[in-house]
Amino acid sequence: EVQVVQSGAEVKKPGESLKISCKGSGYSFASYWIAWVRQMPGKGLEWMGIIYPGDSDTRYSPSFQGQVTISADKSISTAYLQWSSLKASDTAIYYCARHGGGHSHWGQGTLVTVSS
Amino acid sequence: EVVLTQSPGTLSLSPGERATLSCRASQSVSSTYLAWYQQKPGQAPRLLIYGTSSRATGIPDRFSGSGSGTDFTLTISRLEPEDFAVYYCQQYGTTPWTFGQGTKVEIK
Repeated sequence: EVQVVQSGAEVKKPGESLKISCKGSGYSFASYWIAWVRQMPGKGLEWMGIIYPGDSDTRYSPSFQGQVTISADKSISTAYLQWSSLKASDTAIYYCARHGGGHSHWGQGTLVTVSS
Repeated sequence: EVVLTQSPGTLSLSPGERATLSCRASQSVSSTYLAWYQQKPGQAPRLLIYGTSSRATGIPDRFSGSGSGTDFTLTISRLEPEDFAVYYCQQYGTTPWTFGQGTKVEIK
């Protein structure tokens, strides 16, 4: 069974760094793109970027380029989304999803709260 | 960037009625790369339709997708109580991949 499991909720202060994770199981992790999607409180879905774990080919939405870093470690079937300096406006739920004919399998979401 | 505009913003219908949701793209999208998702409060989105008209695993046949070029449609033939939710279209043919702003289907 394909599963995508994300790391738990985080509470951070502005200016702090953060790395959240997304672990895939039940399939060949290296062979499927993993996407990251942001959902701000009460708002819609925003596509952030995507990575192919097999060769770490990464594409970003211009809205998020330079604001976050997407990476993956295929040896432990895990993708990551990281910030070097969080802002209050980064408060949101972040989803990862395996892509294969659409985003077919979603993680449960990681709530990131940034507040002083 | 391909901008997807969904209409209407909110659709108020009763169980058993037919729902027709629209997704219009700012430029042509290959029908291979258009998807629809359903999201309920407090849950992650769920893939309903990919490739414009192919139902994802486990999706009931009351959900259907159609369209081409810049105009795509999700149809729910007879609304069940569990279908009241927010629906998003997405194109994944051109990076950045993009979502529409969503259509909320609410109980009338």
